[in-house]
Amino acid sequence: GQQVMQIPQYQHVQEGEDFTTYCNSSTTLSNIQWYKQRPGGHPVFLIQLVKSGEVKKQKRLTFQFGEAKKNSSLHITATQTTDVGTYFCALEQGAQKLVFGQGTRLTINP
Amino acid sequence: DAGVIQSPRHEVTEMGQEVTLRCKPISGHNSLFWYRQTMMRGLELLIYFNNNVPIDDSGMPEDRFSAKMPNASFSTLKIQPSEPRDSAVYFCASSPRTNALGEQFFGPGTRLTVL
Repeated sequence: GQQVMQIPQYQHVQEGEDFTTYCNSSTTLSNIQWYKQRPGGHPVFLIQLVKSGEVKKQKRLTFQFGEAKKNSSLHITATQTTDVGTYFCALEQGAQKLVFGQGTRLTINP
Repeated sequence: DAGVIQSPRHEVTEMGQEVTLRCKPISGHNSLFWYRQTMMRGLELLIYFNNNVPIDDSGMPEDRFSAKMPNASFSTLKIQPSEPRDSAVYFCASSPRTNALGEQFFGPGTRLTVL
């Protein structure tokens, strides 16, 4: 099945700094989703990207899908303590099946 | 509106005991997913249902695991007999779509500890 590599595994930043997590696949993806999981919580859907080169923004979050549809990134501008959590990319492996990356755990120094 | 409901939230049991985890999907959602999350293996799909019918159970680790969905509003994941390596957080998720990938809504999870 498809494999996905997500980097970095951990990221610690000062509040106000930017943060980026990357998701890479060896194969072309039909689409990709991003989820956020707060400590002790459950994954919460953030966005789905479908088109090559697509860029979507949600307030301070910017999501990109690579031109070749093999990679994606999530960038947070000026992090806040509410951004703490683990960010997962998830790719489709057959209809409706999601394969999750290992996640990037973000911690923030206030 | 209530989200996905899971019970129990925490379960501690001894090796060899039967464990049953329960899930109530969001009303009107036609797809239901069971996931397991551990530090070592991350978030893994175990099985999913469309319109109460199991579609793919290739993620179920062993015959000790079984899942049922007797109706649109209830599903169970059973482990019999349980083993310490089954200790994990088990999430149930539901989705309104059956024919394409869409947003999945996760429940709060059941934290299972097998001693």
